Amino acid sequence: AQTVTQSQPEMSVQEAETVTLSCTYDTSESDYYLFWYKQPPSRQMILVIRQEAYKQQNATENRFSVNFQKAAKSFSLKISDSQLGDAAMYFCAYRSARLGYGGATNKLIFGTGTLLAVQP
Amino acid sequence: GAVVSQHPSWVICKSGTSVKIECRSLDFQATTMFWYRQFPKQSLMLMATSNEGSKATYEQGVEKDKFLINHASLTLSTLTVTSAHPEDSSFYICSARAPPGQGIQETQYFGPGTRLLVL
Repeated sequence: AQTVTQSQPEMSVQEAETVTLSCTYDTSESDYYLFWYKQPPSRQMILVIRQEAYKQQNATENRFSVNFQKAAKSFSLKISDSQLGDAAMYFCAYRSARLGYGGATNKLIFGTGTLLAVQP
Repeated sequence: GAVVSQHPSWVICKSGTSVKIECRSLDFQATTMFWYRQFPKQSLMLMATSNEGSKATYEQGVEKDKFLINHASLTLSTLTVTSAHPEDSSFYICSARAPPGQGIQETQYFGPGTRLLVL
């Protein structure tokens, strides 16, 4: 079974600085998707960035970028020029690329989350 | 991005009553919807996966008769908490995923959540 591990329960960063959140996963599959979701105090889950495993190029979205190391099964999130609005819980998630209805292949497997604080 | 709405955003009810929560995909068709439960400072716990027109698939330990899920159309799924008790108080989140062909099928989009308090 697939698992996702976020080893940093809490992180803190100074405003305008850069922070990296760690995520590792375990799978025997070769084709899958990886995601970072942000959950601010409002508790709305917001998609930050996604990565297709077959793509070697790391995904980027403005100040957010990932370091995807497929062989190491690592998927870290880098937030550059941190802003106060970045303060949130960040969840790393895995999903198999296999299609099908119901069953484990359709599930998002979440990590336990990293609570990011941004200091002014 | 795709938008998922959830209604109500919060609800307070008496023990023994039933509560219905609606989840709608506003700008895409969702053949698959997911219902999660989240306790404070914890990750999301998947309760069930629902596919339009068929029965929901429940995760181990989730009572089917207590948490009734209906996915009657490509844009609407409902979760009914039957005979609610205080231990059912929680934050419930729905999520929707589009089928292949809509360009966003590999991504799940989440509703804003429903806070349920059972007195």
